Amino acid sequence: QVQLVESGGGVVQPGRSLRLSCAASGFTFTTYGMHWVRQAPGKGLEWVAVISHDGNNKYYTESVKGRFTISRDSSKNTLFLEMNALRAEDTAVYYCARGASSTWYLLEYWGQGTLVTVSS
Amino acid sequence: SYVLTQPPSVSVAPGKTAGITCGGNNIGSKNVHWYQQKPGLAPVLVIYYDTVRPSGIPERFSGSNSRNTATLTISRVEAGDEADYYCQVWDSSSDHWVFGGGTKLTVL
Repeated sequence: QVQLVESGGGVVQPGRSLRLSCAASGFTFTTYGMHWVRQAPGKGLEWVAVISHDGNNKYYTESVKGRFTISRDSSKNTLFLEMNALRAEDTAVYYCARGASSTWYLLEYWGQGTLVTVSS
Repeated sequence: SYVLTQPPSVSVAPGKTAGITCGGNNIGSKNVHWYQQKPGLAPVLVIYYDTVRPSGIPERFSGSNSRNTATLTISRVEAGDEADYYCQVWDSSSDHWVFGGGTKLTVL
């Protein structure tokens, strides 16, 4: 069965960096687009970034452009989110999600999330 | 950027039908997907491409999409349907994925 397990969250000071990981299993990692979606405490879902199945295409929401980088390592079946220059408003649970077969426009499976708290 | 508008809350009695709307400019020309999120848990896809139910989702869940409004309909509502529901589209003009603000479904 499809499993997505996020890790790397924690408490970090404003301006510092953090790298999130998402270990994928139960499917052929190299054939699916992958997303990061976040949810601030008590708020709704916010799409953050996506990477194509081959890593060649990446898109970001405006508020993280230039600060966050999405990447993937097919040899390790792992998705990453490198977060730099973190701000208080980046505090959220970060979910990784897998696109659907032959399309990345919907998010078919989700991990359990990892909490990032940006605070001094 | 493209905006999706959902009512913050909807209440319904058990056994009745709940409709959750998702408004957007000419949303009928887009593919709409719906997610259910229960407290403390990750979202779950319940409807995709406007009307399609994933395997394992009860037939009580259905969707429609026309002109400026997409709707998630839950028939014969049960206590276990109480959750937050989010609509989502892909905005081709910006290559952004967009979520609605979410609707909290309360079963009375």
